[in-house]
Amino acid sequence: ETGVTQTPRHLVMGMTNKKSLKCEQHLGHNAMYWYKQSAKKPLELMFVYNFKEQTENNSVPSRFSPECPNSSHLFLHLHTLQPEDSALYLCASSQVSAGDSSGANVLTFGAGSRLTVL
Amino acid sequence: GDSVTQMEGPVTLSEEAFLTINCTYTATGYPSLFWYVQYPGEGLQLLLKATKADDKGSNKGFEATYRKETTSFHLEKGSVQVSDSAVYFCALNDYKLSFGAGTTVTVRA
Repeated sequence: ETGVTQTPRHLVMGMTNKKSLKCEQHLGHNAMYWYKQSAKKPLELMFVYNFKEQTENNSVPSRFSPECPNSSHLFLHLHTLQPEDSALYLCASSQVSAGDSSGANVLTFGAGSRLTVL
Repeated sequence: GDSVTQMEGPVTLSEEAFLTINCTYTATGYPSLFWYVQYPGEGLQLLLKATKADDKGSNKGFEATYRKETTSFHLEKGSVQVSDSAVYFCALNDYKLSFGAGTTVTVRA
């Protein structure tokens, strides 16, 4: 049990579908993240939420829409995706202290949602 | 910007062999350095970390030393087991976390 749960674990969708990925953390953390993992490429940070506020959007196309209704839940809404969006989408959480610039922030990851776009 | 470069895999070795995965970084500040591991079907989990130069992180028989002079954080294990088969990611955190591309390691009995 990692403390971060992602659903669904696998998702196949057509380019015209609308679907959502869900992430829930049971660790009491105050920051949550979406990453995209593609084969042979570095993990790509997509979105960051600190205290439910989006603090980073890493030039992600608008067909990906995040939502963070509270500090324990994070969604990634998907619509009109492209085949190149097929990847493993990882959610993570961490505890960030206000004004902490040490950079020692450790992330706890979920198992990921494997997305295939046909 | 900050970046991490790690050796490409896949790496295949026999049980009890010595494992080294090279990692070098580029950063403008003084980052913390991490190794994360991803076992099959799971998310990433922290393996070890070092927060300043000359620090050595260690866990589960793995070690890595923060070398500022060579901007490196190589991962080593003296005797690997089949259960060490996984993907290993080097990462740095200056003002945000940056990951390498991952190195797939397969250990054969």
